[in-house]
Amino acid sequence: DAGVIQSPRHEVTEMGQEVTLRCKPISGHNSLFWYRQTMMRGLELLIYFNNNVPIDDSGMPEDRFSAKMPNASFSTLKIQPSEPRDSAVYFCASTAKRGRGYTDTQYFGPGTRLTVL
Amino acid sequence: DQQVKQNSPSLSVQEGRISILNCDYTNSMFDYFLWYKKYPAEGPTFLISISSIKDKNEDGRFTVFLNKSAKHLSLHIVPSQPGDSAVYFCAALRSNDYKLSFGAGTTVTVRA
Repeated sequence: DAGVIQSPRHEVTEMGQEVTLRCKPISGHNSLFWYRQTMMRGLELLIYFNNNVPIDDSGMPEDRFSAKMPNASFSTLKIQPSEPRDSAVYFCASTAKRGRGYTDTQYFGPGTRLTVL
Repeated sequence: DQQVKQNSPSLSVQEGRISILNCDYTNSMFDYFLWYKKYPAEGPTFLISISSIKDKNEDGRFTVFLNKSAKHLSLHIVPSQPGDSAVYFCAALRSNDYKLSFGAGTTVTVRA
């Protein structure tokens, strides 16, 4: 299994530009998470999808951030317009949610390091 | 509000000796705990977990201990190896929930 795939691995952009981060979850996993890691706040959950439906987006910092999951094998996180304070490492994680009675381990991708100048 | 705390940002240990990483949590609703290991330029990798119905879980060189009354858990690595040099994150959640709360991480350096 290839694991969770993220692209690009590194992104450098200028303030005001649109940034799109991509994620392919592990095949068969039906839950997908976007996280952001910064020095100040550590790892924080941005949004959670289950069966392609956004369940919890309370961690999305602002309206400039949006996420979609058009199908079970692809998700995007978009920032428009980007700002220097968005610079961070963005991780995608997936799990096979088995329902009540189970606690499902999340498997992380390698991350996208975003730098907004 | 940081519900999971790793108060030691770094730990240096000699190869072959024991590494002990500590983690404290404040939310008494947490009943499932995980440790993740992270190498530079990679995502966190699941290492070991423990349910609150247990006080110990062992997997090879890795053992996690849970003290519910103290809201404290620890990860023991015995013996430590150079490949164990990484950042270790403690995480917690309520079973049947999805929201992982992470600690800030502890950087372990294993000296040859």
